[in-house]
Amino acid sequence: EIVMTQSPDTLSVSPGERATLSCRASQSVGSDLAWYQQKPGQAPRLLIYGASTRATGIPARFSGGGSGTEFTLTISSLQSEDFAIYYCQQYNNWPPFTFGQGTKLDIK
Amino acid sequence: QVQLVESGGGVVPPGRSLRLSCAASGFNIRSFGMHWVRQAPGEGLEWVAVISYDGEYKDYTDSLRGRFTISKDTSMNMLYLQMNSLRPEDTAVYYCVRGSKEFDLWGQGTLLTVSS
Repeated sequence: EIVMTQSPDTLSVSPGERATLSCRASQSVGSDLAWYQQKPGQAPRLLIYGASTRATGIPARFSGGGSGTEFTLTISSLQSEDFAIYYCQQYNNWPPFTFGQGTKLDIK
Repeated sequence: QVQLVESGGGVVPPGRSLRLSCAASGFNIRSFGMHWVRQAPGEGLEWVAVISYDGEYKDYTDSLRGRFTISKDTSMNMLYLQMNSLRPEDTAVYYCVRGSKEFDLWGQGTLLTVSS
């Protein structure tokens, strides 16, 4: 099973600033990496797939990077609606499909 | 409108069985892999099961194999999760998810509470 580890667990950032979230895979997943956003009481929403491709309707301030075992999600200028929990997920080697434990993005 | 709507959750005592349903609209589930993903209260996301677009392949997370069964009815455009011998640790929101690779469409979830 591929273990996905996100860092940090919590990130406190001020609105308008840049946020960078990290995700590490226990073995290479190529570019088969997705990022999801989850707000309280809501289902997760796909943000990024293929490590760097934005899903339909996702603003350009969200960008993904990396390949192999190291990945990043960058939000260039945080808006109030971006404060949420973010999960990475690999779909390269399954089952199981595995998620990271999540990074909570807090308002500083 | 492209969406997934789950139903069937509730409060059940340990040891009982329950079937969750997911109604798909705006697309045909016979063209996509479909999954169930769960989230225990205050916890992260856990993948539960997958069924291939043609229904020929099914698989489960190791800890649930043998107790949970995923199925679908393409004539009704419905996805199901049969859950047997329920345990308190099965308490979670269960999401129906579309995804042949990345998980691109999620339902709103249905809450299952296993408690006496």
